[in-house]
Amino acid sequence: EIALTQSPATLSLSPGEKVTLSCRASQSIGSSFLAWYQQKPGQAPRLVFYGSSSRATGIPDRFSGSGSGTDFTLTISRLEPEDLAVYYCQHYGSSLAPFGGGTKVEIK
Amino acid sequence: EVQLVQSEAEVKKSGESLKISCKGSGYSFTTYWVAWVRQMPGKGLEWMGIIYPGDSDTRYSPSFQGQVTISADKSINTAYLQWSSLKASDTAVYYCARPRHTTKGFGMDVWGQGTAVTVSS
Repeated sequence: EIALTQSPATLSLSPGEKVTLSCRASQSIGSSFLAWYQQKPGQAPRLVFYGSSSRATGIPDRFSGSGSGTDFTLTISRLEPEDLAVYYCQHYGSSLAPFGGGTKVEIK
Repeated sequence: EVQLVQSEAEVKKSGESLKISCKGSGYSFTTYWVAWVRQMPGKGLEWMGIIYPGDSDTRYSPSFQGQVTISADKSINTAYLQWSSLKASDTAVYYCARPRHTTKGFGMDVWGQGTAVTVSS
């Protein structure tokens, strides 16, 4: 089973700053099988990226996704207060689809 | 509107049984998988398993195999997650979601609102 490690665990930045979140897989995976989610406090998760880099409906273009092989990145070009959330990556492989441990984005 | 609507919060005692539900609407329920995801208090997301309502093909994460049962009733567009004997460690919020693999790639694009399960010992 492929394991996903996200870093950092917590990030505290000011509005307007650039945010870079990392998701590392224990072995090489196809980028089309990597998704990112945003979970705001008290809410269900929301899909941010399909296939590592395709923005889901309603996701602002300040969000971008990239990566291949074992290393994937979610970037927020200019942090907004409403981006306060935990971000999770997920890999889909046959019947298993584990999540990374998440990165909490805090607003200073 | 495409949506998954889950059953209400439950409070149970250890040893009791429970079945929670997830009803799909606004799309062809029998042609998409439904996944179940656990979130324990203050923790991250855990993949439990998936079911294809069209033929009830079901796959479990090894961590949850034998601990829960996933089922579906396609006649009423509803998927279920059940326990035969709850433990305090089953206290969590449980989400259902719709996994899709499109030309854009994989993602779970529709999520239920979550069902909070509290088990007291």
